[in-house]
Amino acid sequence: GAGVSQSPRYKVAKRGQDVALRCDPISGHVSLFWYQQALGQGPEFLTYFQNEAQLDKSGLPSDRFFAERPEGSVSTLKIQRTQQEDSAVYLCASSGGDNEQFFGPGTRLTVL
Amino acid sequence: AQTVTQSQPEMSVQEAETVTLSCTYDTSESDYYLFWYKQPPSRQMILVIRQEAYKQQNATENRFSVNFQKAAKSFSLKISDSQLGDAAMYFCAYLIGEWGSQGNLIFGKGTKLSVKP
Repeated sequence: GAGVSQSPRYKVAKRGQDVALRCDPISGHVSLFWYQQALGQGPEFLTYFQNEAQLDKSGLPSDRFFAERPEGSVSTLKIQRTQQEDSAVYLCASSGGDNEQFFGPGTRLTVL
Repeated sequence: AQTVTQSQPEMSVQEAETVTLSCTYDTSESDYYLFWYKQPPSRQMILVIRQEAYKQQNATENRFSVNFQKAAKSFSLKISDSQLGDAAMYFCAYLIGEWGSQGNLIFGKGTKLSVKP
């Protein structure tokens, strides 16, 4: 595709439910990043993949958060037993190696 | 740890006028990259301009330019001839480079820019 796509664009979950957020990076981009953006704040780093290898997951806030990129392309961010503080916009970005990260439109997660 | 500070939560500019958004950062590195991103209400982050720290010349992209002061760790964005479409959140970001060019970004809290017709 022409850009990074994310789905769903909006997700409402009841507290305690599991959710899965999908990111389709730009074709051929080796690097993929996940960021969490709370309301009124700047994005904060969650995790980073180079191809299928998860090289950094230091930003994941708890062990309820899990990310994967099994074939080095599409990535899924999974949040188990969602809590209200997980409500945020989740941004995915991909990079082809020239320091520029291309962002998707984000998924707005609301936990009730 | 690297930090990025944007001290102006909101700014306003008259259409066709010039506005400057401030950003300071803290790092012990000598080589790094700095970025300004624009985020309209649609949420899509769009790269506005970037600066490589080892380059002394300030980056320019059409109506957008930066004032990069490495010693002062300052990286301000100037928007000339402001247009209604410039209204958005603007984020200053620092690229961490533990893995060469593929590090993650550290963002400031953002500045909301309004453009008055």
